[in-house]
Amino acid sequence: EPEVTQTPSHQVTQMGQEVILRCVPISNHLYFYWYRQILGQKVEFLVSFYNNEISEKSEIFDDQFSVERPDGSNFTLKIRSTKLEDSAMYFCASSGTSTSNTGELFFGEGSRLTVL
Amino acid sequence: AQSVSQHNHHVILSEAASLELGCNYSYGGTVNLFWYVQYPGQHLQLLLKYFSGDPLVKGIKGFEAEFIKSKFSFNLRKPSVQWSDTAEYFCAFNTNAGKSTFGDGTTLTVKP
Repeated sequence: EPEVTQTPSHQVTQMGQEVILRCVPISNHLYFYWYRQILGQKVEFLVSFYNNEISEKSEIFDDQFSVERPDGSNFTLKIRSTKLEDSAMYFCASSGTSTSNTGELFFGEGSRLTVL
Repeated sequence: AQSVSQHNHHVILSEAASLELGCNYSYGGTVNLFWYVQYPGQHLQLLLKYFSGDPLVKGIKGFEAEFIKSKFSFNLRKPSVQWSDTAEYFCAFNTNAGKSTFGDGTTLTVKP
């Protein structure tokens, strides 16, 4: 069964450093998302991406965040200068094909980011 | 604003007990509704979904949920839980295939 893959599974970084989290969505999906989950808290929407541009973003997704689809398979989330409060599990998700899009999300296993 | 309210933050049951987790959403139009489950140490995965038609939907592992439009509710049920159902459960909805909005989650602990 096709799946969403994420790397790294865990990254530890110093405050102020740049971090790139990588995702490979399901190959025929057209919509891509990043969500995050701070330990013990709810799953929060960060950004959605369609047709090579951001379609929606939350208040959390400020200028420190950016997303990119550098090639036909990867979807990356960059945090320019990490803060302690960026420590969370970051989930990539994809959905929707050219013939069907109900918004059912297929999630990756997550990348745990720890900012020291 | 779109929101999802899950009434129970932590539920503790014994095996074979019946389960019902409450979920209410806030949105005036047509929605797609989902329950996702996150087993310890694993990623979120779909448990069941409602798009249209029969408001009683059945998912994996014996779970079901009922959409009651007049109450804006989509409660999750299982007649007899197992220890392996211990997990965190998230209710979510989206509109016109836009972003999904998640509830705070309910942690279910099933005691053997």
